[in-house]
Amino acid sequence: DQQVKQNSPSLSVQEGRISILNCDYTNSMFDYFLWYKKYPAEGPTFLISISSIKDKNEDGRFTVFLNKSAKHLSLHIVPSQPGDSAVYFCAASDLGSGTYKYIFGTGTRLKVLA
Amino acid sequence: GAVVSQHPSWVICKSGTSVKIECRSLDFQATTMFWYRQFPKQSLMLMATSNEGSKATYEQGVEKDKFLINHASLTLSTLTVTSAHPEDSSFYICSARDPRVATYEQYFGPGTRLTVT
Repeated sequence: DQQVKQNSPSLSVQEGRISILNCDYTNSMFDYFLWYKKYPAEGPTFLISISSIKDKNEDGRFTVFLNKSAKHLSLHIVPSQPGDSAVYFCAASDLGSGTYKYIFGTGTRLKVLA
Repeated sequence: GAVVSQHPSWVICKSGTSVKIECRSLDFQATTMFWYRQFPKQSLMLMATSNEGSKATYEQGVEKDKFLINHASLTLSTLTVTSAHPEDSSFYICSARDPRVATYEQYFGPGTRLTVT
């Protein structure tokens, strides 16, 4: 049972435009969400996170939106740059469990075209 | 952000042998580290939570006798793949949370590519 899903395996966006990556989850106990960027044969790099008490968090070109009722979050990158091309994973955690462990989504490969 | 290293970055071993992968937190002490594996073009699957000074907590379906985890110090966790088989070939990644940081992100190592022949 995939508790965290990213339904778009790939996305292509023109440089300078907005990239929107989506993520859905099923476990209502998740209360902390993160986005990571990953290049092949490397470990993921943290981008941005959001707590379930918020519906938006912004950091530079990256904004994460959380819709708890829909169990949906999205990552907006604007403007998109060629260096943003990578695989993006969303992750969810149930901090209330005290384990701090993540469940990762299936990933979306973003390609930003110059 | 905090730095996590892994060694080796890649390893090739013969079927039936064991291989050890090290995960170190370089600039912080981590009471908890996590081990993941990733198959090509798939998600990162959590294998186990490594707890300093106590037994690791394994996720459902992960064989604890095959994937031995030892977290002997606050900066080092090791994953030993015992009696490796070709199906154990994968990309293994560790992570750790920096307890000094108020937020909850984990910092990941660069990963270890294991190939079993």
